[in-house]
Formats: sequence, C-alpha cells, structure tokens
Amino acid sequence: KAGVTQTPRYLIKTRGQQVTLSCSPISGHRSVSWYQQTPGQGLQFLFEYFSETQRNKGNFPGRFSGRQFSNSRSEMNVSTLELGDSALYLCASSLSKLAGGPGSYEQYFGPGTRLTVT
Amino acid sequence: AQKITQTQPGMFVQEKEAVTLDCTYDTSDQSYGLFWYKQPSSGEMIFLIYQGSYDEQNATEGRYSLNFQKARKSANLVISASQLGDSAMYFCAMSLGSSNTGKLIFGQGTTLQVKP
Repeated sequence: KAGVTQTPRYLIKTRGQQVTLSCSPISGHRSVSWYQQTPGQGLQFLFEYFSETQRNKGNFPGRFSGRQFSNSRSEMNVSTLELGDSALYLCASSLSKLAGGPGSYEQYFGPGTRLTVT
Repeated sequence: AQKITQTQPGMFVQEKEAVTLDCTYDTSDQSYGLFWYKQPSSGEMIFLIYQGSYDEQNATEGRYSLNFQKARKSANLVISASQLGDSAMYFCAMSLGSSNTGKLIFGQGTTLQVKP
C-alpha cells in the first residue's frame, strides 16, 4: 500500500506571495491533517479535513486555509507569505473510524514540504 | 489545557541496551489516545505505537512498548535492544476524544543518540 505523498518536497517563495501544498493520503483514509514544524514552536496542528469538511482547526491566522477533495486528497494554501512561515509542513492521514477498532486512530505522515520564505 | 511534556531534550544509550523516553500528559478528558513518533534527520514522521486511554494492557510493537500509567498521566516509550538506526528525534503526542483523533498535540521531543 502506498504511503502518504506530499508535493512539492521543497519550495522557495518570496514574502507576500502565496503557496499551495498538496497531500495524497493512504488509500482508504478519509481524514487528512496538516501540521507546521519549526525549530522554535515545534509541531503545531493547522487543521483536519474529513469527508471534504474541516473537522478541526488550530490557532493559525486566516492566511492558512485548506480543502479536501472527494478522493480525499487535500491542499493547503498560505496567502501573503511571511518570513515566519518558513517551516516543514507535514500532512498526515488516518482511517479515523468513529467506531474505533485496530488501526482507526493512527496518523501516518508524509515526507513533508519544506517551505522557505525569503 | 491539554499538554504533552517531554522533559529529556537529549538522551544517549549504548547499542543493544534498553532506553526509556519520558512523556507526561495533561488532560481532563476521559477519552484520549497517546502516540509515539520517530523523526530521523530526513524529516519524515514515523508512527511507532498507540495507546488508547481505555486500553488496559500496555501497547507493544516489536522492540517498542508503551509504559502507560494512567494515574500518573505518563506514557513512557521503552525501546529494547537499541540499534544505531534508532538515533532520531522522538515525539510523544496526544489526541482527544473520538471526534478529535485528527488533531494531535505534540511534545517538544527527545533526541536519542545510540552509541556503538
């Protein structure tokens, strides 16, 4: 079974630009979550999408947005980039079955997109 | 507020020995999940082990086991027979409730170095 894939792997943008990151979950997984990792703040939750709906949201400004398509693929968009947005952006997918059972809750991460804002 | 605390910024262990990485959590929820992830220098987060708050037995996955002490709110990771490839950053994380499983709260991580 293929793992979580993220594109692009590396990105360099200029302050003020916008960027779109893509994430393809493991086949059959309906939940996709996004995280930002920086040396100073560590790993922080951005948002989660489940069945094309945003189910959870972290404490990030409105410049950070996302969406999920009917095939569970997800995109994350950051508008008006700031230097502080430079980070590793990780996407994770999970089965997320409310009924529980083995394997329902584990999140599997992609390799990440390393974004540098200059 | 929900929080994960990892008090060991860095740890050393001799190859083939066992090592325990500490993790304490804070939540008033009754239903939650606890996770451990490994992040090598390549950056990818690798899932290691999961423990649900209602699971009575400690979770085990190969050389990894989770020492779950609910009353103490601790979820320590035990790696037996350490290998050089175990050198990495290790993160403890928590999810809350069945509808919040997609939101993980992470600790600051522990860097583990395995010495030959």
